[in-house]
Amino acid sequence: EVQLVESGGGLVQPGGSLRLSCAASGFTFSSYSMNWVRQAPGKGLEWVSYISSSSSTIYYADSVKGRFTISRDNAKNSLYLQMNSLRDEDTAVYYCAREYYDSSGYYYTDAFDIWGQGTMVTVSS
Amino acid sequence: QSVLTQPPSASGTPGQRVTISCSGSSSNIGSNTVNWYQQLPGTAPKLLIYSNNQRPSGVPDRFSGSKSGTSASLAISGLQSEDEADYYCAAWDDSLNGHVVFGGGTKLTVL
Repeated sequence: EVQLVESGGGLVQPGGSLRLSCAASGFTFSSYSMNWVRQAPGKGLEWVSYISSSSSTIYYADSVKGRFTISRDNAKNSLYLQMNSLRDEDTAVYYCAREYYDSSGYYYTDAFDIWGQGTMVTVSS
Repeated sequence: QSVLTQPPSASGTPGQRVTISCSGSSSNIGSNTVNWYQQLPGTAPKLLIYSNNQRPSGVPDRFSGSKSGTSASLAISGLQSEDEADYYCAAWDDSLNGHVVFGGGTKLTVL
């Protein structure tokens, strides 16, 4: 079964740090670019970060640039998000999401077909 | 304030056809393809439409997408109670290097 499972969320004080993990299974992880997307309580989706399959290309949303670091370990089939200098507004469910690969053999980097169940990050004093 | 603009709510009765709009600009919808996601309460989003009008395997053909200029639409025909969910449009934005932008979401209620 194709699956993504996030972990590492929790309660942290403003200014603190947290590292999220996303374990992939059921597909060739090293062939896909990956993303983190978050959703604040009662709010919409916000794209956070992107990493290419080989880690050669990385992007961040302006709201997290300089504070968050995305990385991956293809040997461990894992994606990570190191979050530093956390703020109240970073409180959200964080999802890892895989780019879509369709049956014609094309990767749609901007479309996310497999999502994890999400991990909750709460920043509060 | 989301980069892509969606109506906050929509509604319909079972069997009806409903459409959800998504408005953007030349840097996102105007120059890139649009994807749509369905999020049922308490669950992760699900890819519903990709590349403007393509359905991933398993998505019923009741769902269809279209794009014209800087706007896109999601249509749901033969509305069913299980379609009650939040719907989000998304697209690359060329003015934001490597960024995917989402609409604010539309809550669809099946009356």
